Amino acid sequence: NAGVTQTPKFQVLKTGQSMTLQCAQDMNHEYMSWYRQDPGMGLRLIHYSVGAGITDQGEVPNGYNVSRSTTEDFPLRLLSAAPSQTSVYFCASSLTQRGTFYNEQFFGPGTRLTVL
Amino acid sequence: GEDVEQSLFLSVREGDSSVINCTYTDSSSTYLYWYKQEPGAGLQLLTYIFSNMDMKQDQRLTVLLNKKDKHLSLRIADTQTGDSAIYFCAERAITSGTYKYIFGTGTRLKVLA
Repeated sequence: NAGVTQTPKFQVLKTGQSMTLQCAQDMNHEYMSWYRQDPGMGLRLIHYSVGAGITDQGEVPNGYNVSRSTTEDFPLRLLSAAPSQTSVYFCASSLTQRGTFYNEQFFGPGTRLTVL
Repeated sequence: GEDVEQSLFLSVREGDSSVINCTYTDSSSTYLYWYKQEPGAGLQLLTYIFSNMDMKQDQRLTVLLNKKDKHLSLRIADTQTGDSAIYFCAERAITSGTYKYIFGTGTRLKVLA
C-alpha cells in the first residue's frame, strides 16, 4: 500500500491563480480530510468527506472547494489564490468516522504552497 | 466550540522525562490522540486513549487523562534526541452528529544532548 499520497510537494502561485492539490489513498478509507498547518495555529480542518459523493465544510473552508467522486481521490481546489493561503496542506484519511473504533488518521507528506 | 490548547515549546535534556500537556473543551470526545510530526513530514499517530480510561502506557510513553479537568498529558521517559519533533494533541469530537478531529497548536520538543 502506498498509503496517502499528495502532489505536488511544493508549489508557488501568483495571486489570483487557481490550482488543484491532489490527494489519493489506496486503503479503501471512507473518511478523508484536508487540513492546513500554519505556525502557532496547529492543524485546521478545511473540508472533509465521509464517503464518495459526500463532502462538508470544516473550520476554514472559504476559498477552497472539494469533491469526492471516488473513494480513492479527494482533490482540493483553490479557486483564486491569495497570500493568506500560503501554508502547508495535509490530506488525511481514516477507515471510517463512525462508531467507537479509534480510527487512526493517516496523513500524507504535505504540500507546501506559497502564494505571492 | 471545540478547542484544544497546548504550550508551544518544551526543552529537555537527553535522558530526562518530557511531559507535554494539553487541555480540551469538548466533553463528548470519545478518543484523544497524540501525534508526532518530524521536520518536513506528515503527522504520525503515536498513541491514543479512550475516554473511559485514565492512563495508558506504551513502552516509553505514558498518557494520562483527567476527564474532569479535560486535561491530557504525554510523558516520554528517557527522552532521546530522536524524540525532537512537534507533538500534537487531538480529540475526536461530535458536531451535529458528525465526528471531527480537532488538533491543538502542537508543542515543539527540543532535546538537548
